[in-house]
Amino acid sequence: ETGVTQSPTHLIKTRGQQVTLRCSSQSGHNTVSWYQQALGQGPQFIFQYYREEENGRGNFPPRFSGLQFPNYSSELNVNALELDDSALYLCASSFGDRGPGANVLTFGAGSRLTVL
Amino acid sequence: AQTVTQSQPEMSVQEAETVTLSCTYDTSESDYYLFWYKQPPSRQMILVIRQEAYKQQNATENRFSVNFQKAAKSFSLKISDSQLGDAAMYFCARSGSARQLTFGSGTQLTVLP
Repeated sequence: ETGVTQSPTHLIKTRGQQVTLRCSSQSGHNTVSWYQQALGQGPQFIFQYYREEENGRGNFPPRFSGLQFPNYSSELNVNALELDDSALYLCASSFGDRGPGANVLTFGAGSRLTVL
Repeated sequence: AQTVTQSQPEMSVQEAETVTLSCTYDTSESDYYLFWYKQPPSRQMILVIRQEAYKQQNATENRFSVNFQKAAKSFSLKISDSQLGDAAMYFCARSGSARQLTFGSGTQLTVLP
């Protein structure tokens, strides 16, 4: 069974630019969640996608947006990048939006974004 | 805000010894899950152990066990027979009806040979 894969692993952008991060979910999983982890801190929930619909959102502005595709892979888009957006972005997949399976998240290794 | 607190930013343990990492949380829900995740330098978050709040029995996974005190909203992780490979950042996390994880700030565990 394949795990969660994320791309790119590292990238550098300048303030004001836009970025797209990609995530392939684990085989059999249909739910994808995105987390932002600033240096030295715990991950913060950005949003979750279930069956191609946003299914919950954390305290992040609208310039953070996402997509989920029919194959359950997902993208995280961030517009108008700010210096504080520099962080590790983690994608996690799970099965379903409720029940025990929904609580078992498999994480990818993340995409490290640096904004200059 | 419903928070998760890890009061120990750093801990160290001698190889083969036992160490306990602390975690407290806040929630108004009666049905929730608690987790300990390990994040090594490779960055990938790895699930160590999971506890359903409605279960009174403490979860155990090999050398890892928890002490779940629901009334006190406390969820500590005990690592027995510590190994060099246990060195990592450990995060306590909680999920509820929203199915999103709320993480603590982490405890950096060093294992001394």
